[in-house]
Amino acid sequence: RKEVEQDPGPFNVPEGATVAFNCTYSNSASQSFFWYRQDCRKEPKLLMSVYSSGNEDGRFTAQLNRASQYISLLIRDSKLSDSATYLCVVEFMDSNYQLIWGAGTKLIIKP
Amino acid sequence: NAGVTQTPKFQVLKTGQSMTLQCAQDMNHNSMYWYRQDPGMGLRLIYYSASEGTTDKGEVPNGYNVSRLNKREFSLRLESAAPSQTSVYFCASSEQDTYTEAFFGQGTRLTVV
Repeated sequence: RKEVEQDPGPFNVPEGATVAFNCTYSNSASQSFFWYRQDCRKEPKLLMSVYSSGNEDGRFTAQLNRASQYISLLIRDSKLSDSATYLCVVEFMDSNYQLIWGAGTKLIIKP
Repeated sequence: NAGVTQTPKFQVLKTGQSMTLQCAQDMNHNSMYWYRQDPGMGLRLIYYSASEGTTDKGEVPNGYNVSRLNKREFSLRLESAAPSQTSVYFCASSEQDTYTEAFFGQGTRLTVV
Protein backbone atom coordinates (compact mmCIF):
# COMPACT_ATOMS: atom_id res chain seq x y z
CA ARG A 1 0.00 0.00 0.00
CA LYS A 2 1.24 3.42 -0.86
CA GLU A 3 1.51 5.45 2.30
CA VAL A 4 2.22 8.98 3.28
CA GLU A 5 2.08 9.52 7.01
CA GLN A 6 1.82 12.74 8.97
CA ASP A 7 1.37 13.53 12.65
CA PRO A 8 -2.17 14.94 12.74
CA GLY A 9 -1.35 17.33 15.60
CA PRO A 10 -2.54 19.81 16.51
CA PHE A 11 0.75 21.54 17.12
CA ASN A 12 0.04 24.47 19.44
CA VAL A 13 2.85 26.97 19.04
CA PRO A 14 3.30 30.51 20.41
CA GLU A 15 3.61 33.30 17.90
CA GLY A 16 7.22 33.92 16.94
CA ALA A 17 8.38 30.38 17.66
CA THR A 18 9.90 27.94 15.22
CA VAL A 19 7.99 24.79 14.43
CA ALA A 20 8.85 21.78 12.31
CA PHE A 21 6.96 18.71 11.25
CA ASN A 22 7.75 15.69 9.16
CA CYS A 23 6.06 13.49 6.63
CA THR A 24 7.17 9.92 5.97
CA TYR A 25 6.56 8.04 2.74
CA SER A 26 6.78 4.38 1.88
CA ASN A 27 8.06 4.35 -1.72
CA SER A 28 11.81 4.77 -2.01
CA ALA A 29 11.44 5.50 -5.74
CA SER A 30 9.37 8.64 -5.22
CA GLN A 31 10.81 11.65 -7.03
CA SER A 32 8.52 14.59 -6.37
CA PHE A 33 7.38 16.02 -3.07
CA PHE A 34 5.24 18.96 -2.11
CA TRP A 35 3.75 20.82 0.81
CA TYR A 36 0.26 22.24 0.49
CA ARG A 37 -1.54 24.44 2.97
CA GLN A 38 -5.24 24.08 3.70
CA ASP A 39 -7.17 26.60 5.76
CA CYS A 40 -10.24 25.46 7.65
CA ARG A 41 -13.05 24.52 5.26
CA LYS A 42 -11.07 25.81 2.28
CA GLU A 43 -9.29 24.23 -0.64
CA PRO A 44 -5.61 23.17 -0.54
CA LYS A 45 -3.07 25.57 -2.01
CA LEU A 46 0.50 24.85 -2.96
CA LEU A 47 2.95 26.11 -0.35
CA MET A 48 6.17 24.83 -1.85
CA SER A 49 7.79 22.03 -3.76
CA VAL A 50 10.54 20.07 -2.03
CA TYR A 51 13.82 19.69 -3.88
CA SER A 52 16.59 17.21 -3.20
CA SER A 53 18.94 19.94 -2.05
CA GLY A 54 16.34 21.49 0.21
CA ASN A 55 14.73 24.83 -0.46
CA GLU A 56 13.69 27.93 1.36
CA ASP A 57 10.94 30.44 0.74
CA GLY A 58 11.00 33.26 3.24
CA ARG A 59 10.24 31.81 6.67
CA PHE A 60 9.58 28.35 5.26
CA THR A 61 12.21 25.69 4.68
CA ALA A 62 11.56 22.28 3.16
CA GLN A 63 13.99 19.39 3.37
CA LEU A 64 14.10 15.92 1.84
CA ASN A 65 15.79 12.97 3.52
CA ARG A 66 15.81 10.14 1.00
CA ALA A 67 17.71 7.70 3.20
CA SER A 68 15.05 7.85 5.90
CA GLN A 69 12.21 8.56 3.47
CA TYR A 70 10.77 11.68 4.95
CA ILE A 71 10.31 15.31 4.09
CA SER A 72 10.13 18.12 6.61
CA LEU A 73 8.72 21.62 6.82
CA LEU A 74 10.22 24.23 9.10
CA ILE A 75 8.45 27.49 9.84
CA ARG A 76 10.45 30.24 11.50
CA ASP A 77 9.07 33.28 13.32
CA SER A 78 5.58 31.85 13.12
CA LYS A 79 2.65 34.19 12.53
CA LEU A 80 -0.97 33.86 13.56
CA SER A 81 -1.77 33.58 9.85
CA ASP A 82 0.31 30.39 9.63
CA SER A 83 -2.46 28.55 11.48
CA ALA A 84 -3.67 25.94 9.00
CA THR A 85 -3.36 22.28 8.12
CA TYR A 86 -0.23 21.37 6.18
CA LEU A 87 -0.58 18.56 3.68
CA CYS A 88 2.31 16.50 2.44
CA VAL A 89 2.09 15.16 -1.12
CA VAL A 90 4.33 12.49 -2.61
CA GLU A 91 4.54 11.29 -6.17
CA PHE A 92 4.52 7.49 -6.38
CA MET A 93 6.10 6.09 -9.51
CA ASP A 94 4.65 2.77 -10.60
CA SER A 95 2.58 1.68 -13.57
CA ASN A 96 0.49 4.79 -13.19
CA TYR A 97 1.57 8.22 -12.18
CA GLN A 98 0.04 8.95 -8.79
CA LEU A 99 0.10 11.62 -6.17
CA ILE A 100 -0.53 10.37 -2.66
CA TRP A 101 -1.69 12.88 -0.06
CA GLY A 102 -1.03 12.78 3.64
CA ALA A 103 -3.91 13.48 5.99
CA GLY A 104 -2.26 16.68 7.16
CA THR A 105 -0.75 18.23 10.26
CA LYS A 106 -2.82 20.86 12.00
CA LEU A 107 -0.90 23.90 13.23
CA ILE A 108 -2.33 26.44 15.64
CA ILE A 109 -0.33 29.58 16.33
CA LYS A 110 -1.29 31.25 19.60
CA PRO A 111 -0.78 34.92 20.44
CA ASN B 1 -9.81 35.59 -12.33
CA ALA B 2 -12.04 32.63 -11.43
CA GLY B 3 -9.52 29.75 -11.59
CA VAL B 4 -11.41 26.55 -10.79
CA THR B 5 -15.12 26.82 -10.14
CA GLN B 6 -17.16 23.93 -8.84
CA THR B 7 -20.82 23.70 -8.03
CA PRO B 8 -22.73 23.20 -5.87
CA LYS B 9 -20.97 24.16 -2.62
CA PHE B 10 -23.31 22.12 -0.47
CA GLN B 11 -25.67 19.24 -1.21
CA VAL B 12 -27.77 16.81 0.79
CA LEU B 13 -28.94 13.68 -1.00
CA LYS B 14 -31.05 10.75 0.01
CA THR B 15 -29.61 7.29 -0.46
CA GLY B 16 -30.17 6.18 -4.03
CA GLN B 17 -30.48 9.66 -5.51
CA SER B 18 -28.18 10.79 -8.27
CA MET B 19 -26.41 14.05 -8.86
CA THR B 20 -23.67 15.64 -10.92
CA LEU B 21 -20.95 17.87 -9.56
CA GLN B 22 -19.79 20.45 -12.06
CA CYS B 23 -16.27 21.79 -12.45
CA ALA B 24 -14.84 24.33 -14.84
CA GLN B 25 -11.40 25.92 -15.12
CA ASP B 26 -10.38 28.98 -17.06
CA MET B 27 -6.60 28.50 -16.97
CA ASN B 28 -6.37 26.43 -20.18
CA HIS B 29 -5.05 23.48 -18.18
CA ASN B 30 -4.82 20.06 -19.79
CA SER B 31 -5.30 17.93 -16.69
CA MET B 32 -8.25 17.86 -14.35
CA TYR B 33 -8.96 15.79 -11.24
CA TRP B 34 -11.67 14.85 -8.81
CA TYR B 35 -10.71 14.14 -5.21
CA ARG B 36 -12.60 13.33 -2.07
CA GLN B 37 -11.44 14.35 1.39
CA ASP B 38 -12.60 12.51 4.51
CA PRO B 39 -11.70 13.26 8.13
CA GLY B 40 -8.37 11.79 9.14
CA MET B 41 -7.49 10.82 5.59
CA GLY B 42 -5.56 12.42 2.80
CA LEU B 43 -7.20 13.51 -0.40
CA ARG B 44 -7.99 10.46 -2.50
CA LEU B 45 -8.16 10.59 -6.26
CA ILE B 46 -11.47 9.45 -7.72
CA TYR B 47 -10.87 10.06 -11.43
CA TYR B 48 -8.61 12.20 -13.50
CA SER B 49 -8.39 13.42 -17.06
CA ALA B 50 -4.92 13.97 -18.45
CA SER B 51 -6.28 15.73 -21.51
CA GLU B 52 -9.51 16.49 -23.29
CA GLY B 53 -11.16 13.27 -24.36
CA THR B 54 -9.43 10.99 -21.87
CA THR B 55 -10.39 9.87 -18.38
CA ASP B 56 -8.79 7.37 -16.03
CA LYS B 57 -9.67 5.81 -12.72
CA GLY B 58 -7.93 6.92 -9.60
CA GLU B 59 -7.70 5.26 -6.22
CA VAL B 60 -11.43 5.21 -5.35
CA PRO B 61 -13.54 5.23 -8.55
CA ASN B 62 -16.35 2.86 -7.51
CA GLY B 63 -19.76 4.52 -7.46
CA TYR B 64 -18.67 7.44 -9.63
CA ASN B 65 -18.52 8.36 -13.28
CA VAL B 66 -16.92 11.33 -14.97
CA SER B 67 -17.16 13.27 -18.20
CA ARG B 68 -14.53 15.53 -19.68
CA LEU B 69 -16.98 17.62 -21.65
CA ASN B 70 -14.32 19.85 -23.18
CA LYS B 71 -11.00 21.27 -22.11
CA ARG B 72 -12.64 23.52 -19.52
CA GLU B 73 -15.17 21.22 -17.90
CA PHE B 74 -14.92 17.97 -15.95
CA SER B 75 -18.01 16.65 -14.20
CA LEU B 76 -18.43 13.96 -11.57
CA ARG B 77 -21.63 11.93 -11.37
CA LEU B 78 -22.97 9.85 -8.51
CA GLU B 79 -25.51 7.50 -10.05
CA SER B 80 -26.93 6.08 -6.82
CA ALA B 81 -25.64 7.89 -3.78
CA ALA B 82 -24.67 5.95 -0.66
CA PRO B 83 -23.93 7.20 2.87
CA SER B 84 -20.28 6.15 2.33
CA GLN B 85 -20.06 8.88 -0.30
CA THR B 86 -20.61 11.58 2.31
CA SER B 87 -17.46 13.63 1.92
CA VAL B 88 -15.96 16.88 0.71
CA TYR B 89 -15.26 16.75 -3.01
CA PHE B 90 -12.60 18.85 -4.69
CA CYS B 91 -12.04 19.43 -8.34
CA ALA B 92 -8.53 20.45 -9.39
CA SER B 93 -6.64 21.25 -12.55
CA SER B 94 -3.00 21.42 -13.54
CA GLU B 95 -1.10 22.36 -16.64
CA GLN B 96 -0.19 18.80 -17.61
CA ASP B 97 -0.36 15.30 -16.25
CA THR B 98 3.20 15.21 -14.99
CA TYR B 99 3.04 17.12 -11.84
CA THR B 100 2.78 20.82 -11.83
CA GLU B 101 0.94 22.92 -9.31
CA ALA B 102 -2.66 21.84 -8.90
CA PHE B 103 -5.30 24.50 -8.44
CA PHE B 104 -8.39 23.51 -6.53
CA GLY B 105 -11.99 24.54 -6.54
CA GLN B 106 -13.62 25.56 -3.28
CA GLY B 107 -15.08 22.13 -2.63
CA THR B 108 -18.52 20.55 -2.43
CA ARG B 109 -19.74 19.32 0.94
CA LEU B 110 -21.97 16.35 0.18
CA THR B 111 -24.06 14.56 2.77
CA VAL B 112 -25.92 11.39 1.87
CA VAL B 113 -28.64 10.43 4.36
